[in-house]
Amino acid sequence: KNEVEQSPQNLTAQEGEFITINCSYSVGISALHWLQQHPGGGIVSLFMLSSGKKKHGRLIATINIQEKHSSLHITASHPRDSAVYICAVRRLGGHGGSQGNLIFGKGTKLSVKP
Amino acid sequence: NAGVTQTPKFQVLKTGQSMTLQCAQDMNHEYMSWYRQDPGMGLRLIHYSVGAGITDQGEVPNGYNVSRSTTEDFPLRLLSAAPSQTSVYFCASSSSGLKAFFGQGTRLTVV
Repeated sequence: KNEVEQSPQNLTAQEGEFITINCSYSVGISALHWLQQHPGGGIVSLFMLSSGKKKHGRLIATINIQEKHSSLHITASHPRDSAVYICAVRRLGGHGGSQGNLIFGKGTKLSVKP
Repeated sequence: NAGVTQTPKFQVLKTGQSMTLQCAQDMNHEYMSWYRQDPGMGLRLIHYSVGAGITDQGEVPNGYNVSRSTTEDFPLRLLSAAPSQTSVYFCASSSSGLKAFFGQGTRLTVV
């Protein structure tokens, strides 16, 4: 079983819809990252959070440490939001510097139709 | 602009050739890592470093070498390229408690 699971794998939405992408993890973590990868490949970090909720524009990220679950919400979705969204966790503990490493989910491919 | 500079963007190698992927960051980050991204799989860690002179293996290290002689640079060397190393490679850097920054990626094809 993967240590980081995302759902859904693929998501198609109409412009304006509210979108939720989920991430569950099975290891102890010090932080969780939400990343965005556009066609063409570059990866951009959207959020890093270790508790509670963060908001940036139309994007909201929440995390529940007890339940080992995080969600990424997009309000009033737009075609330019079409991308792969990746959840990654920074493992807590581990030997040497391995606690600095990220473990990635497989990503959620979002397509927003006009 | 501050960030992670990764080169080249594209590369085609013949089986058995060697090459070095370059990665440099100007944010004084202690953590630097190399990942590969393959279809249907999440990014997988190849090698990582927690500071100059310190490197360690990740999940898929075979066929790759790294070194970290300075804080800024973290090159990835393919010693003898194989078709199984066809992939997209990403370099990333971060500092404790901060966001990770990624290079633009290198699309490598080994024929």
